[in-house]
Amino acid sequence: GAVVSQHPSRVICKSGTSVKIECRSLDFQATTMFWYRQFPKKSLMLMATSNEGSKATYEQGVEKDKFLINHASLTLSTLTVTSAHPEDSSFYICSARDNRQGSQPQHFGDGTRLSIL
Amino acid sequence: LAKTTQPISMDSYEGQEVNITCSHNNIATNDYITWYQQFPSQGPRFIIQGYKTKVTNEVASLFIPADRKSSTLSLPRVSLSDTAVYYCLVGDLSFQKLVFGTGTRLLVSP
Repeated sequence: GAVVSQHPSRVICKSGTSVKIECRSLDFQATTMFWYRQFPKKSLMLMATSNEGSKATYEQGVEKDKFLINHASLTLSTLTVTSAHPEDSSFYICSARDNRQGSQPQHFGDGTRLSIL
Repeated sequence: LAKTTQPISMDSYEGQEVNITCSHNNIATNDYITWYQQFPSQGPRFIIQGYKTKVTNEVASLFIPADRKSSTLSLPRVSLSDTAVYYCLVGDLSFQKLVFGTGTRLLVSP
């Protein structure tokens, strides 16, 4: 079945560091991928829609200069948390769906736990 | 996107059947209903999807009444490993943007 791989699974770094998270669709192409953020005991919150070959679409309240998204190929989207601070610590999850399978559901990566010290 | 309402939490015991109901009063004609399962520190995992009546796969059944304003996820004979959060989402099959509700936290005890 369709698989979405996310890397790294966990990051611990100092405040002020920029962190890049990768999301790959392993056996299908995805013109659109999605990035979510999840706080402990809370639901997933959509941050942005990553569009291959064009700019990402950000949800209201999400700083685009803070969360840089690049979708350079049909199988890879990256989320860069720039100059991360402790309040950016969270669980980040990506998702994608096979372009060719209109009826298929979204598939999610296993998430990246980001901890900013 | 249709808003969904689910119970915040449910408790069950191993071997029992668990039914989680989701309300989606504003579901549109083209909308499908999809359920996901999420374990701690993992991404959501697709369980089942349906449009009307009943859908069954190897892990669950989905019951949808004629008016489609609600749906029920049925998990037969749950085990401890079914302890997770279950999310109900509604949208048409071309929809890509998923809006997650609160989900239902299921706790299965021995």
